[in-house]
Amino acid sequence: EADIYQTPRYLVIGTGKKITLECSQTMGHDKMYWYQQDPGMELHLIHYSYGVNSTEKGDLSSESTVSRIRTEHFPLTLESARPSHTSQYLCASSEWGGRETQYFGPGTRLLVL
Amino acid sequence: KQEVTQIPAALSVPEGENLVLNCSFTDSAIYNLQWFRQDPGKGLTSLLLIQSSQREQTSGRLNASLDKSSGRSTLYIAASQPGDSATYLCAPAEGYNTDKLIFGTGTRLQVFP
Repeated sequence: EADIYQTPRYLVIGTGKKITLECSQTMGHDKMYWYQQDPGMELHLIHYSYGVNSTEKGDLSSESTVSRIRTEHFPLTLESARPSHTSQYLCASSEWGGRETQYFGPGTRLLVL
Repeated sequence: KQEVTQIPAALSVPEGENLVLNCSFTDSAIYNLQWFRQDPGKGLTSLLLIQSSQREQTSGRLNASLDKSSGRSTLYIAASQPGDSATYLCAPAEGYNTDKLIFGTGTRLQVFP
């Protein structure tokens, strides 16, 4: 069982608000990822990190930003939420080398009104 | 650009049947391929990871095969159970960059008693 947590699980918020989605893992994994998934659609990688102070953009362009100040923590921030940001956001982590299986958190469902 | 197709999109079967879920991908230069299951409102659970040098992997009632040259993978589920009901996702690792998983839209499986 993977130990990766996301909060909040559900968030309903008004347009223009700043939001931060939290992701934490207790496995000591260096690599962490954020995916976005619209209903009935594929997951798309929006951000990833190789370790502390490392952040990279994924294939899907996103207005969100991320930071990696601690190994276990990889928060995602939207400075000004819009209805187009409504989606599910999934966080994952993996270790270097070996089988590099990605372990996923339960996700945050975001609804921007 | 890697594209992943999963067939069928949905499947409803009685308990006890043996099932085959299909995944095809356009770029055969992959490092590995993972199969996940996604339960409604939850994150993804890794089921199997096949390295590009392998042809199959087994875990309990699950068996995944990989034919890299033809761009295909199959997930075989033996003696299906109602608890297997979920969406199954195939995700090859893009090129030789194992950080970037490319997801299909999945096969939604329902197993009824």
